[in-house]
Parts: sequence; C-alpha cells; structure tokens
Amino acid sequence: DQQVKQNSPSLSVQEGRISILNCDYTNSMFDYFLWYKKYPAEGPTFLISISSIKDKNEDGRFTVFLNKSAKHLSLHIVPSQPGDSAVYFCAASPRDNTDKLIFGTGTRLQVFP
Amino acid sequence: NAGVTQTPKFQVLKTGQSMTLQCAQDMNHNSMYWYRQDPGMGLRLIYYSASEGTTDKGEVPNGYNVSRLNKREFSLRLESAAPSQTSVYFCASKRVEGPENTEAFFGQGTRLTVV
Repeated sequence: DQQVKQNSPSLSVQEGRISILNCDYTNSMFDYFLWYKKYPAEGPTFLISISSIKDKNEDGRFTVFLNKSAKHLSLHIVPSQPGDSAVYFCAASPRDNTDKLIFGTGTRLQVFP
Repeated sequence: NAGVTQTPKFQVLKTGQSMTLQCAQDMNHNSMYWYRQDPGMGLRLIYYSASEGTTDKGEVPNGYNVSRLNKREFSLRLESAAPSQTSVYFCASKRVEGPENTEAFFGQGTRLTVV
C-alpha cells in the first residue's frame, strides 16, 4: 500500500511559468517531508524539505507547502526553467522512526521554451 | 568528496545467480538505505540500517539480504536472482542526530538486468 502518492505521472509547463507538483500521504505519523529531483542515469538529489511544525518553506525558486489536515504537500517552482526538466519525488519520514524514509512514485516535469 | 559510492554501475545476471551490490559512504552518516526504482513505482525502500549492526525491512524486502559491515558500508545481496529483480538500485545515507531529521544523499545507482 503506497503511503506516499504522486497522482500525476507527468506535467508539462512553459518556461517562465509556475510548476506545481503535488504529493499526498496516508500515514499521520509522517512529520518530515522532502522533495528530490532526479535526472536520467543519476541518483536523486535533495531539493527542499519541510517539518510538520511549518506550513511553508522557501528556497530561491522552490517553495514547499504543507497542509497537514489534508495530508497534502506541494512543490512550487517559479519561474520554471528548461533545466528543471526532471523527475521529482516527494518523500516522508515518520516521527517515531526518523531513520525510515519513504518515497512517492514521482512526477516527470517537462519545461518547454 | 566521494559521497555515496555504489559498485558495480551495471550488471547482467542469469536467473538463479547471486550477487552483492556494494555501497560505501564517506560522510560519517548513521543511516543507510537501499532502494529500487521501477517505472511507475517510484523509489521503493528495500532495507535500511539505522546504525552499524542493525538492519530493518522496508517496503519490498523479499528476495534480498543486507549487511551493515561497518559504519561506512552497506551491502545488498541477491541470493537467487529473478527477472522481477531487474531494476535500478540506489543506495543512500543520512545523518541522524536525536530528533533532528535531515536529507538523505544518494549514490549514482546500479542498473541490474536479470535474464
């Protein structure tokens, strides 16, 4: 049973516009959330994280929003650039086991000129 | 800075053969992980290790064994490979200090094909 879900397998956005990637989770024990970016033939690289004590975290063009009541988080990329084209994974870690890290299925983002 | 190093990068096995995927990290991290990535399935946790000498099952542990040899190294073994284990395997490590949570760092991956 998938505890972390990314229901959109792909997203296509024009350069300069906003990209919004979504993630839902089912386990109420998750309290730390991360977004990773993955290029083909490379390992995932960390982008941004958020703790459940916050509802927003911003780092340059990347902002993560957390809605605990809806068990939903989103990643906003503004403005989107062609180099942002990659697969994005959200991940979550539970408060009772901070060593455990569960990933979603990924969303392939394509930013076109 | 090597970070997380996985060997080999590519491997082809015949059904029933065994092999060990090696992973080493030089960041003095406590926790280490093995994931597999399959189309449409994302990254699924196979096993993880919170510290030297401890290992725990993840989401898809069947058909695999692991060894946390020391703080640096965490190996994944396939005793009798099956075509369903064709995948890209990623090792990762993470620093964990008390309640503070941090990001994990990944290796470049091992592409395994079982024929």
